Amino acid sequence: ETGVTQTPRHLVMGMTNKKSLKCEQHLGHNAMYWYKQSAKKPLELMFVYNFKEQTENNSVPSRFSPECPNSSHLFLHLHTLQPEDSALYLCASSQATGNQPQHFGDGTRLSIL
Amino acid sequence: GQQVMQIPQYQHVQEGEDFTTYCNSSTTLSNIQWYKQRPGGHPVFLIQLVKSGEVKKQKRLTFQFGEAKKNSSLHITATQTTDVGTYFCVRGAQKLVFGQGTRLTINP
Repeated sequence: ETGVTQTPRHLVMGMTNKKSLKCEQHLGHNAMYWYKQSAKKPLELMFVYNFKEQTENNSVPSRFSPECPNSSHLFLHLHTLQPEDSALYLCASSQATGNQPQHFGDGTRLSIL
Repeated sequence: GQQVMQIPQYQHVQEGEDFTTYCNSSTTLSNIQWYKQRPGGHPVFLIQLVKSGEVKKQKRLTFQFGEAKKNSSLHITATQTTDVGTYFCVRGAQKLVFGQGTRLTINP
């Protein structure tokens, strides 16, 4: 139990579908993150939120749309994804941004048909 | 942000053997963090090193931060099957930058 819960754990969707990934943290942290982990690449930071304000968008395509309604919840809305978007999507949180240790959720394994 | 280079990329050992992974940066690091990711799991924070020459131990794991704060290492003594996974050194700055990691597999 990491204190960071992600749902769903697995998701299979077609390229024309719209779906959302959810992340919730119970650690009282102020910063939340979305990462993408593919088989052949290092962990890629996608978005950073600090006190529910987006502070970083790491050149992520617009077919990924994050939402952070409060410091405990983070969503990643998906639409018209491509096969190369198939990956493990990890959510993390930390007390603050910068060099604070991050706590990760179990991730959502996303497969695009 | 600039990645840290980690070697080796893969390491296979017999259970009971020691294991070391090295992390190198061309620039001085303010701090370095280490994470472990088990197969099918998520990265888990192990430790953060901040001071030049710092050495920290966690049971069979020994973490070092170089004097120049440009390199770091993780040494595992007498590996066990539970040590299997990928170990990441992570550059801590305005944001964390993960490297490729070292994937450790163990023959029981």
